[in-house]
Amino acid sequence: DAGVTQSPTHLIKTRGQQVTLRCSPKSGHDTVSWYQQALGQGPQFIFQYYEEEERQRGNFPDRFSGHQFPNYSSELNVNALLLGDSALYLCASSLLRGSSQFFGPGTRLTVL
Amino acid sequence: SQQGEEDPQALSIQEGENATMNCSYKTSINNLQWYRQNSGRGLVHLILIRSNEREKHSGRLRVTLDTSKKSSSLLITASRAADTASYFCATDHANFGNEKLTFGTGTRLTIIP
Repeated sequence: DAGVTQSPTHLIKTRGQQVTLRCSPKSGHDTVSWYQQALGQGPQFIFQYYEEEERQRGNFPDRFSGHQFPNYSSELNVNALLLGDSALYLCASSLLRGSSQFFGPGTRLTVL
Repeated sequence: SQQGEEDPQALSIQEGENATMNCSYKTSINNLQWYRQNSGRGLVHLILIRSNEREKHSGRLRVTLDTSKKSSSLLITASRAADTASYFCATDHANFGNEKLTFGTGTRLTIIP
Protein backbone atom coordinates (compact mmCIF):
# COMPACT_ATOMS: atom_id res chain seq x y z
CA ASP A 1 0.00 0.00 0.00
CA ALA A 2 1.66 3.20 -1.19
CA GLY A 3 1.70 6.10 1.17
CA VAL A 4 1.33 9.72 0.16
CA THR A 5 3.36 10.56 -2.93
CA GLN A 6 4.36 13.97 -4.25
CA SER A 7 5.94 15.19 -7.46
CA PRO A 8 8.29 16.61 -8.36
CA THR A 9 10.88 16.17 -5.59
CA HIS A 10 12.70 19.39 -6.38
CA LEU A 11 11.85 22.37 -8.53
CA ILE A 12 13.65 25.58 -9.43
CA LYS A 13 11.71 28.54 -10.78
CA THR A 14 12.32 32.24 -11.29
CA ARG A 15 10.33 35.12 -9.87
CA GLY A 16 7.04 35.75 -11.65
CA GLN A 17 6.68 32.21 -12.96
CA GLN A 18 3.92 29.78 -12.10
CA VAL A 19 4.30 26.32 -10.58
CA THR A 20 2.11 23.23 -10.13
CA LEU A 21 2.81 20.62 -7.49
CA ARG A 22 1.07 17.25 -7.35
CA CYS A 23 -0.01 14.90 -4.61
CA SER A 24 -1.51 11.42 -4.54
CA PRO A 25 -3.10 10.53 -1.21
CA LYS A 26 -2.72 7.32 0.73
CA SER A 27 -5.05 4.62 -0.51
CA GLY A 28 -8.51 5.00 1.02
CA HIS A 29 -8.07 8.61 2.09
CA ASP A 30 -10.51 11.25 0.87
CA THR A 31 -9.03 14.50 2.20
CA VAL A 32 -5.88 16.31 1.12
CA SER A 33 -4.21 19.18 2.94
CA TRP A 34 -1.28 21.31 1.80
CA TYR A 35 1.35 22.91 4.03
CA GLN A 36 4.28 25.26 3.42
CA GLN A 37 7.42 24.84 5.50
CA ALA A 38 10.01 27.58 5.34
CA LEU A 39 13.55 26.72 6.37
CA GLY A 40 13.85 26.33 10.13
CA GLN A 41 10.11 26.72 10.73
CA GLY A 42 7.18 24.45 11.37
CA PRO A 43 4.74 23.72 8.55
CA GLN A 44 1.97 26.24 7.94
CA PHE A 45 -1.44 25.24 6.67
CA ILE A 46 -2.34 26.45 3.17
CA PHE A 47 -5.68 24.74 2.46
CA GLN A 48 -7.59 21.49 2.58
CA TYR A 49 -9.68 19.74 -0.08
CA TYR A 50 -12.52 17.30 0.33
CA GLU A 51 -14.96 16.14 -2.35
CA GLU A 52 -13.18 18.38 -4.86
CA GLU A 53 -14.00 21.50 -2.84
CA GLU A 54 -11.75 23.74 -0.77
CA ARG A 55 -12.92 23.06 2.75
CA GLN A 56 -10.57 25.21 4.80
CA ARG A 57 -7.98 27.84 3.99
CA GLY A 58 -5.06 29.28 5.92
CA ASN A 59 -3.62 32.77 5.72
CA PHE A 60 -2.22 32.58 2.20
CA PRO A 61 -2.89 34.95 -0.72
CA ASP A 62 -5.01 34.09 -3.73
CA ARG A 63 -1.83 33.36 -5.69
CA PHE A 64 -2.07 29.97 -4.00
CA SER A 65 -4.82 27.83 -5.46
CA GLY A 66 -5.59 24.16 -5.60
CA HIS A 67 -7.66 21.43 -7.04
CA GLN A 68 -8.79 17.97 -6.08
CA PHE A 69 -9.67 15.38 -8.69
CA PRO A 70 -12.32 12.62 -8.53
CA ASN A 71 -9.59 10.09 -7.66
CA TYR A 72 -8.75 12.29 -4.60
CA SER A 73 -5.36 13.37 -5.94
CA SER A 74 -4.61 17.06 -5.68
CA GLU A 75 -2.62 19.91 -7.20
CA LEU A 76 -1.24 23.06 -5.64
CA ASN A 77 -0.72 25.99 -7.98
CA VAL A 78 1.25 29.10 -7.15
CA ASN A 79 1.18 32.08 -9.51
CA ALA A 80 3.51 35.07 -9.76
CA LEU A 81 6.20 33.39 -7.68
CA LEU A 82 8.09 35.45 -5.11
CA LEU A 83 11.46 34.73 -3.55
CA GLY A 84 9.61 34.16 -0.27
CA ASP A 85 7.71 31.25 -1.78
CA SER A 86 10.89 29.17 -1.59
CA ALA A 87 10.03 26.39 0.83
CA LEU A 88 9.24 22.71 1.29
CA TYR A 89 5.64 22.05 0.26
CA LEU A 90 4.04 19.16 2.07
CA CYS A 91 0.89 17.30 1.19
CA ALA A 92 -1.01 15.34 3.82
CA SER A 93 -3.88 12.96 3.35
CA SER A 94 -6.47 11.72 5.79
CA LEU A 95 -10.02 10.60 6.17
CA LEU A 96 -12.37 13.48 6.82
CA ARG A 97 -13.81 11.47 9.70
CA GLY A 98 -10.41 10.25 10.79
CA SER A 99 -7.90 11.79 13.12
CA SER A 100 -4.35 11.49 11.82
CA GLN A 101 -2.86 13.14 8.77
CA PHE A 102 -0.15 11.27 6.86
CA PHE A 103 2.45 13.37 5.08
CA GLY A 104 4.25 12.90 1.81
CA PRO A 105 8.00 13.49 1.33
CA GLY A 106 7.43 17.03 0.10
CA THR A 107 8.46 19.12 -2.89
CA ARG A 108 11.38 21.49 -2.40
CA LEU A 109 10.67 24.69 -4.36
CA THR A 110 13.44 27.21 -4.95
CA VAL A 111 12.56 30.58 -6.45
CA LEU A 112 15.48 32.54 -7.91
CA SER B 1 1.38 31.96 12.52
CA GLN B 2 2.63 29.19 14.77
CA GLN B 3 0.23 27.91 17.43
CA GLY B 4 2.89 27.00 19.89
CA GLU B 5 6.47 26.54 20.69
CA GLU B 6 8.65 23.58 21.41
CA ASP B 7 11.23 23.74 24.14
CA PRO B 8 14.15 23.39 23.89
CA GLN B 9 14.83 24.52 20.33
CA ALA B 10 17.78 22.13 20.19
CA LEU B 11 18.84 19.18 22.34
CA SER B 12 21.96 16.99 22.20
CA ILE B 13 22.23 13.84 24.30
CA GLN B 14 24.30 10.65 24.42
CA GLU B 15 22.90 7.52 22.87
CA GLY B 16 20.98 5.51 25.45
CA GLU B 17 19.86 8.54 27.45
CA ASN B 18 16.28 9.75 27.58
CA ALA B 19 15.16 12.83 25.64
CA THR B 20 12.36 15.09 26.77
CA MET B 21 10.91 17.90 24.73
CA ASN B 22 8.01 20.17 25.56
CA CYS B 23 5.31 21.89 23.58
CA SER B 24 3.14 24.80 24.61
CA TYR B 25 0.11 26.04 22.74
CA LYS B 26 -2.14 29.04 22.95
CA THR B 27 -5.76 28.08 22.42
CA SER B 28 -7.92 25.16 23.49
CA ILE B 29 -7.55 22.05 21.37
CA ASN B 30 -9.24 18.76 20.52
CA ASN B 31 -6.14 16.74 19.65
CA LEU B 32 -2.39 17.11 19.90
CA GLN B 33 -0.04 15.12 17.71
CA TRP B 34 3.72 14.67 17.58
CA TYR B 35 5.59 14.32 14.31
CA ARG B 36 9.23 13.57 13.43
CA GLN B 37 11.05 15.06 10.46
CA ASN B 38 14.40 13.85 9.18
CA SER B 39 16.63 16.34 7.36
CA GLY B 40 13.86 18.52 5.92
CA ARG B 41 11.93 15.62 4.46
CA GLY B 42 8.35 14.50 5.04
CA LEU B 43 6.78 14.33 8.48
CA VAL B 44 6.27 10.98 10.18
CA HIS B 45 3.32 10.69 12.53
CA LEU B 46 4.40 9.45 15.97
CA ILE B 47 1.45 9.67 18.33
CA LEU B 48 -1.89 11.40 18.86
CA ILE B 49 -3.33 12.33 22.23
CA ARG B 50 -6.86 13.62 22.66
CA SER B 51 -7.80 16.50 24.91
CA ASN B 52 -9.51 14.17 27.38
CA GLU B 53 -6.40 12.00 27.75
CA ARG B 54 -3.50 12.75 30.07
CA GLU B 55 -0.86 10.23 29.02
CA LYS B 56 -0.20 7.89 26.14
CA HIS B 57 2.53 5.39 25.32
CA SER B 58 3.81 3.95 22.05
CA GLY B 59 6.94 1.82 22.18
CA ARG B 60 9.76 4.04 23.48
CA LEU B 61 7.55 7.14 23.32
CA ARG B 62 5.56 8.63 26.17
CA VAL B 63 3.38 11.68 25.68
CA THR B 64 1.66 13.69 28.36
CA LEU B 65 -0.92 16.42 27.97
CA ASP B 66 -1.88 19.07 30.50
CA THR B 67 -4.77 21.08 29.09
CA SER B 68 -4.89 23.37 32.13
CA LYS B 69 -1.32 24.49 31.34
CA LYS B 70 -1.78 24.17 27.57
CA SER B 71 1.32 22.04 27.33
CA SER B 72 2.50 18.61 26.27
CA SER B 73 5.72 16.68 26.60
CA LEU B 74 7.30 13.95 24.50
CA LEU B 75 9.71 11.53 26.18
CA ILE B 76 11.89 9.24 24.09
CA THR B 77 13.50 6.57 26.24
CA ALA B 78 16.76 4.75 25.51
CA SER B 79 17.58 7.05 22.59
CA ARG B 80 19.23 5.74 19.42
CA ALA B 81 21.24 7.46 16.70
CA ALA B 82 18.26 6.98 14.38
CA ASP B 83 16.18 9.24 16.65
CA THR B 84 18.21 12.22 15.41
CA ALA B 85 15.59 14.44 13.78
CA SER B 86 13.36 17.47 14.33
CA TYR B 87 10.25 16.91 16.40
CA PHE B 88 7.09 18.97 16.02
CA CYS B 89 3.88 19.13 17.99
CA ALA B 90 0.69 19.91 16.08
CA THR B 91 -2.73 20.83 17.41
CA ASP B 92 -6.18 20.83 15.92
CA HIS B 93 -9.62 21.99 16.92
CA ALA B 94 -11.49 19.34 14.96
CA ASN B 95 -15.08 18.92 15.98
CA PHE B 96 -16.71 17.91 12.71
CA GLY B 97 -13.90 16.24 10.88
CA ASN B 98 -10.22 16.33 10.16
CA GLU B 99 -9.13 19.93 10.16
CA LYS B 100 -5.98 21.94 9.77
CA LEU B 101 -3.00 21.22 11.95
CA THR B 102 -1.19 24.11 13.61
CA PHE B 103 2.46 23.31 14.20
CA GLY B 104 4.99 24.51 16.70
CA THR B 105 8.49 25.64 15.85
CA GLY B 106 10.13 22.27 16.48
CA THR B 107 12.92 20.78 18.59
CA ARG B 108 16.09 19.66 16.83
CA LEU B 109 17.27 16.47 18.58
CA THR B 110 20.79 15.16 18.06
CA ILE B 111 21.80 11.77 19.46
CA ILE B 112 25.55 11.43 19.95
CA PRO B 113 26.77 7.85 19.38
